[in-house]
Amino acid sequence: EVQLVQSGAEVKKPGESLRISCKGSGYSFTTYWIGWVRQTPGKGLEWMGIIYPDDSQTRYSPSFQGQVTMSADKSTSTAYLQWNILKASDTAKYYCARGGTQLIGYYYGVDVWGQGTTITVSS
Amino acid sequence: DIQMTQSPSSLSASVGDTVTITCRASQRISSYLSWYQQKPGKAPRLLIYAASTLQSGVPSTFTGSGSGTDFSLTISNLQPEDFATYFCQQSYSSPTFGQGTKVEIK
Repeated sequence: EVQLVQSGAEVKKPGESLRISCKGSGYSFTTYWIGWVRQTPGKGLEWMGIIYPDDSQTRYSPSFQGQVTMSADKSTSTAYLQWNILKASDTAKYYCARGGTQLIGYYYGVDVWGQGTTITVSS
Repeated sequence: DIQMTQSPSSLSASVGDTVTITCRASQRISSYLSWYQQKPGKAPRLLIYAASTLQSGVPSTFTGSGSGTDFSLTISNLQPEDFATYFCQQSYSSPTFGQGTKVEIK
């Protein structure tokens, strides 16, 4: 079974750092793009960016460029999303999702989703 | 950014009905349009990609159409499990989503 399993919910304070994870299984992890999506009640679904695990190519949405860092570890089939300085406005549910193969990227949507990681940032 | 506008934002329907949700892009996106279904507390599920291609495992009661700027998702013979929120997403450039359409039971 193809699946993405994300790390658990986090409660953090403003200014703290955080890295969440997304572990793929049941398919060739390195040859499919992994995207990250933020969901909030106010702004709905927002595309954050995408990473190609084989060579760690990244493409960030302009809104999230410089705000987060995406990375991947081929040896453990795990993608990561990292914040160096959390803000209250980062409070949201974050999903990883599988895109297409190298040349397809996100053009045909994302077909497998993680269960989501809820992040709460509050003093 | 390309803006995606869905309508209606919500609708009420009965089991067995046929409903149509529309999605308009702020500029032409060819057929780079996907539709997703999301139920409360769950991740979205890909239903249709490339505007009209049914994702594997999705019932044929879901139909997508359109190209350019105007797209639609039609759900025929609504079943209890179809009551959910539906989102469109363009992938012509850095992806953006519509605001969602909640399909509720009448």
